[in-house]
Amino acid sequence: KNEVEQSPQNLTAQEGEFITINCSYSVGISALHWLQQHPGGGIVSLFMLSSGKKKHGRLIATINIQEKHSSLHITASHPRDSAVYICAVSSWGKLQFGAGTQVVVTP
Amino acid sequence: NAGVTQTPKFQVLKTGQSMTLQCAQDMNHNSMYWYRQDPGMGLRLIYYSASEGTTDKGEVPNGYNVSRLNKREFSLRLESAAPSQTSVYFCASSERSTGIGSPLHFGNGTRLTVT
Repeated sequence: KNEVEQSPQNLTAQEGEFITINCSYSVGISALHWLQQHPGGGIVSLFMLSSGKKKHGRLIATINIQEKHSSLHITASHPRDSAVYICAVSSWGKLQFGAGTQVVVTP
Repeated sequence: NAGVTQTPKFQVLKTGQSMTLQCAQDMNHNSMYWYRQDPGMGLRLIYYSASEGTTDKGEVPNGYNVSRLNKREFSLRLESAAPSQTSVYFCASSERSTGIGSPLHFGNGTRLTVT
């Protein structure tokens, strides 16, 4: 059983729509990471957070430690946001990854 | 500003052949990692090096060996490749161990096919 679950697995949105990706985990963590994997395969770190909320441009990440849940929001989505978004948690010295959410934004 | 450089980008091997994947980072990071990514699964840790001079097994170490040559370089070796090792391999680095919560920087990946 994967200790990091993401939903949905796949998501298609029209340009301009608000997108939410969810991440639930079952272990105690020191931090949670959101990563973006481009269609070409490269992986970029978007956020690392241990409480509250962080914002970078049109991306917002939130975490609720008590509920063991995090969300990644994309406001005013654009086709260039099409990518796989990966949630990962730092727990007991290790990083555990979710399987990723494939996001496609159509013009 | 290269970040994490990983070579080669693509490789095809026959069963039983050996190869080494090279990784170097120029950010003076202490920790380096090798992951594999398979369809429908999350990234899985093969080996990691928390600091120069140390290496430890991750989740899926069988069939692999690593060398932390110096602070910059961390290589992954497949001694006798098997079809089950067909995957995309990523090298990554972080300033501190991921357990403490330090952002990861990834290489661009190596797509390996073993026939």
